[in-house]
Amino acid sequence: DTAVSQTPKYLVTQMGNDKSIKCEQNLGHDTMYWYKQDSKKFLKIMFSYNNKELIINETVPNRFSPKSPDKAHLNLHINSLELGDSAVYFCASSQVLRGGSPLHFGNGTRLTVT
Amino acid sequence: KQEVTQIPAALSVPEGENLVLNCSFTDSAIYNLQWFRQDPGKGLTSLLLIQSSQREQTSGRLNASLDKSSGRSTLYIAASQPGDSATYLCAVPDSGGGADGLTFGKGTHLIIQP
Repeated sequence: DTAVSQTPKYLVTQMGNDKSIKCEQNLGHDTMYWYKQDSKKFLKIMFSYNNKELIINETVPNRFSPKSPDKAHLNLHINSLELGDSAVYFCASSQVLRGGSPLHFGNGTRLTVT
Repeated sequence: KQEVTQIPAALSVPEGENLVLNCSFTDSAIYNLQWFRQDPGKGLTSLLLIQSSQREQTSGRLNASLDKSSGRSTLYIAASQPGDSATYLCAVPDSGGGADGLTFGKGTHLIIQP
């Protein structure tokens, strides 16, 4: 069974559209994340949620809105898509323990905005 | 702000060689350090997590070391195989080791020649 699964794997859409990416983890972890990997393969955190509460919101445009209906899900909704939003978006989860714990990543969603 | 640097950016070696990947970080107050592997079009797989109190961790042919005081970590791969070809990333928690996400290096793209 896939531990962290995100859908869709590929998403091609036009500028100005609104789209969502879904993420689910079956590891029982408390914390979930969204990361963005740009064209230069650089990974950067966007958001993290701990027990459905927003912990991190990096300098991400407010067109990006994460939604966590429960501990096992963290969906990413993007409004008014722009060309610069094209990237691979990774969902991840971890069990928050003092001293940290390994992150488990999904396989990514490649978003292409035309 | 934490910065993570990985050297070299790319490495190509013949099968069977032992090799070392380097990672350095600017803020030594870390709780742990993780090494990941990313295959093309795939998510990230956590290889090793070293807690700040540890100096090294081993998993099979992989050995990761951590020197907090100098802000360095190395990933040693013994008897490399073509299947080891991937991008290797190191990452440290942004702060506190909790739900604050990770800061990643830009990775070392490794090619093992058969």
